[in-house]
Amino acid sequence: EVQLLESGGGLVQPGGSLRLSCTASGFTFNSFAMNWVRQAPGQGLKWVSTITASGGSTYYADSVKGRFTISRDNPKNTLYLQMNSLRAEDTAIYYCAKIVSPDYWGQGTLVTVSS
Amino acid sequence: AIQMTQSPSSLSASVGDRVTITCRASQGIRNDLGWYQQKPGKAPKLLIYAASNLQSGVPSRFSGSGSGTDFTLTISSLQPEDFATYYCLQDYNYPFTFGPGTKVDIK
Repeated sequence: EVQLLESGGGLVQPGGSLRLSCTASGFTFNSFAMNWVRQAPGQGLKWVSTITASGGSTYYADSVKGRFTISRDNPKNTLYLQMNSLRAEDTAIYYCAKIVSPDYWGQGTLVTVSS
Repeated sequence: AIQMTQSPSSLSASVGDRVTITCRASQGIRNDLGWYQQKPGKAPKLLIYAASNLQSGVPSRFSGSGSGTDFTLTISSLQPEDFATYYCLQDYNYPFTFGPGTKVDIK
C-alpha cells in the first residue's frame, strides 16, 4: 500500500522558518519526481514546488522562490520542504504528492503563520 | 507563467445529469493536462491524465477531451459521490498551474 506521511506543520510567527517532511512507502520513491502542493483555508489548490527523481533539478512557484527549498533523501524515502521568511499568506495545508499518473497524495500538514 | 481558467466556477446539478466543465490555458499546452477531484477534508485525486486518459480505477462516466488551449471534463451521469470540487492542472511547463476549481453541488 502506498503511503505518504507528512510531518512538521504547526504554528509559526511571520518571518519564521519551518521544515516539512514527507516519508514515502509502497512505491519506488527514487524513480519519480515529487511535489509540494498547498491549499489555503477555503481556497483552491496551488502548486508550490517539484523536485526531479534524482534531486538534480528543482522548480518553484514565483510566490515561494528564494524562500522555500525542496529537497529529498532517496535512501530514506523522504521529501522535504524548508520554508523560510514565512508570511501570513503561506498559511495552508501542505500536501506532499506524486501528481502524475498514478498519483499519490499525503494527508496534508497544516502550516499556520500568525503572530 | 501559464494561466488556467475554469468555467463555470460552480454548478448545481441533479443525480443523473450530464455535467461539463471547461478549462482554458493562456497558451498552448499540447495535451499536458490533468483533472483532479477533491472532496472536503480530503486530498485531491487524479481522474484524467494527458487530457483524455482515464486514471485506473476511475469510473468510466468520467471523460476528458481537448488539446492545445481548450479542455473539457465530462461526467456522463452524475452520481451522489461525484459532488466535489474539480481542478485542472497544466504540467506542460514550470511553474505548473492549477485552475481555480469548479464546485459541483446538489440541485
